Amino acid sequence: QQQVKQSPQSLIVQKGGISIINCAYENTAFDYFPWYQQFPGKGPALLIAIRPDVSEKKEGRFTISFNKSAKQFSLHIMDSQPGDSATYFCAATKSASKLTFGTGTRLQVTL
Amino acid sequence: NAGVMQNPRHLVRRRGQEARLRCSPMKGHSHVYWYRQLPEEGLKFMVYLQKENIIDESGMPKERFSAEFPKEGPSILRIQQVVRGDSAAYFCASSLLGQGLNNEQFFGPGTRLTVL
Repeated sequence: QQQVKQSPQSLIVQKGGISIINCAYENTAFDYFPWYQQFPGKGPALLIAIRPDVSEKKEGRFTISFNKSAKQFSLHIMDSQPGDSATYFCAATKSASKLTFGTGTRLQVTL
Repeated sequence: NAGVMQNPRHLVRRRGQEARLRCSPMKGHSHVYWYRQLPEEGLKFMVYLQKENIIDESGMPKERFSAEFPKEGPSILRIQQVVRGDSAAYFCASSLLGQGLNNEQFFGPGTRLTVL
């Protein structure tokens, strides 16, 4: 049972553009929604996270938008750079314990 | 570097052999999580341990897989009688708290297991 659905599977964005990755969850008990960035051969690294009592969180060029009623959340990367090329995973958890991950989005930022 | 350490980084085993993966959490962290990442897929939770205790093993296959986190030393994920389907990247994460606000999980670089 896939509890977190992520789309798109892959994404190509020009340098300076906006990258948007979407996730939807099923379990209404989830109360913490982090995004992870993973480079080839490396472990995932926390990028930004949000709780359902907030509709938006911004950190630098990265913004999470959260829609509790629709059970959806998304990551926006503004002014995308080639260095942002990586695989991005959304995740969800209850009480910040074990993480349930989406299937990942491979982002490529072109010059 | 006080990050999560995993070894070996790459492990090759033949079918039927045992694989033993080690994870040393960040300094001061007593909570360890193991995840498995199959090719082109997301990470799947396997087991959550605290020192000397298994807290949640709901993601562990019922047979051949076991995990421990002893009072002293690293956490060990053991796979007995490996099969080709066990080929994957295994990631360990550690956290300061087991749950609650700001309980960030820090991931290690992973062990890539290949079963021939």
